[in-house]
Amino acid sequence: SQQGEEDPQALSIQEGENATMNCSYKTSINNLQWYRQNSGRGLVHLILIRSNEREKHSGRLRVTLDTSKKSSSLLITASRAADTASYFCATSNAGNNRKLIWGLGTSLAVNP
Amino acid sequence: SAVISQKPSRDICQRGTSLTIQCQVDSQVTMMFWYRQQPGQSLTLIATANQGSEATYESGFVIDKFPISRPNLTFSTLTVSNMSPEDSSIYLCSVANLTDTQYFGPGTRLTVL
Repeated sequence: SQQGEEDPQALSIQEGENATMNCSYKTSINNLQWYRQNSGRGLVHLILIRSNEREKHSGRLRVTLDTSKKSSSLLITASRAADTASYFCATSNAGNNRKLIWGLGTSLAVNP
Repeated sequence: SAVISQKPSRDICQRGTSLTIQCQVDSQVTMMFWYRQQPGQSLTLIATANQGSEATYESGFVIDKFPISRPNLTFSTLTVSNMSPEDSSIYLCSVANLTDTQYFGPGTRLTVL
């Protein structure tokens, strides 16, 4: 069952601007991951943040995790047209046999 | 990270027929998963493919409709049986090894007429 919820559902920005997407979840987690999907193709793993971490960076990506609020945010800085995609969060729970619980996704459009 | 291929990449099928989708990985992996993604929606896990034994299905998915094989640690198939237009979706396989990170194939886009 889906437990993650992203907001906004859709986001449209200009190239060079920052994009922020949020994800909320309902149960305790081992880690939270963000994935990108271009045009209905396979998903690409972006970043994983563990439950004992609060912030993580990878290139132009910054992820935060607030376990007290059961929420995470993904910030993409200095966005490019190539960042246009759908972004999904996914959580891993203890004892869940590696299954991920997926959010509903945020559709990001970066306009040149 | 593993490199995953899927065949076919897309197909258009008639209702009542069956389609088998193949997922091939370039290295041995512990876990293989099959997902369905309907247009504009998130991913829904169909089942975990277990090597040498029956797949573990999620609620709402049954073996008769979605038989899965996994004969070894690098290959799995998903069959969509007795298809109806409601089965039109993207079908994705993914793999995982010692961590929770999953690596995805490019997907199979299925249209049922």
